[in-house]
Amino acid sequence: DTGVSQDPRHKITKRGQNVTFRCDPISEHNRLYWYRQTLGQGPEFLTYFQNEAQLEKSRLLSDRFSAERPKGSFSTLEIQRTEQGDSAMYLCATRTGNGYTFGSGTRLTVV
Amino acid sequence: EDQVTQSPEALRLQEGESSSLNCSYTVSGLRGLFWYRQDPGKGPEFLFTLYSAGEEKEKERLKATLTKKESFLHITAPKPEDSATYLCAVHDPMIYNQGGKLIFGQGTELSVKP
Repeated sequence: DTGVSQDPRHKITKRGQNVTFRCDPISEHNRLYWYRQTLGQGPEFLTYFQNEAQLEKSRLLSDRFSAERPKGSFSTLEIQRTEQGDSAMYLCATRTGNGYTFGSGTRLTVV
Repeated sequence: EDQVTQSPEALRLQEGESSSLNCSYTVSGLRGLFWYRQDPGKGPEFLFTLYSAGEEKEKERLKATLTKKESFLHITAPKPEDSATYLCAVHDPMIYNQGGKLIFGQGTELSVKP
């Protein structure tokens, strides 16, 4: 139990389909982050929420990507019209103490 | 450009063979350097945060140190269960005061054989 729950753990989708991932911090955290990690690389920042406000978006987040945090608790990340290049691990994190706590991630495979 | 570089990319050790992993960083004003452990198919697991040159942190067989340009993760007498990818990250100084984000290195994949 990492303190951040992500669902689903794995998702296989056909190219062109839409997918949605969910992130649930176990306890309340003001700040919530989304990262993307491809094989053999470190995580790359996608976007960040302070409560329900989305305050920062990476240029990696094309217009096919949208993230929400409607009540300042859980968050969703949607990818529309998926492409094979979207295949990656999508990680959610919250700020805790001196560090950041990551969820176990959602592994997306676009076929 | 702010960046983090880790070396080596992969490291194979025999059980009990001590070694060090390197993390070099170039940021304009360090606001924290983080070490994480990542097992296959899982999210990064927090190990240490270091803030200033000369600082050291220890946990079991791991010790992290920090200088003005790099950090080392020393592994003493490693065991097979220490096998994982070790990630280093720094706070992006440009948006630190707005909530922070991490810039990660590409990781070092450590394999410890019995």
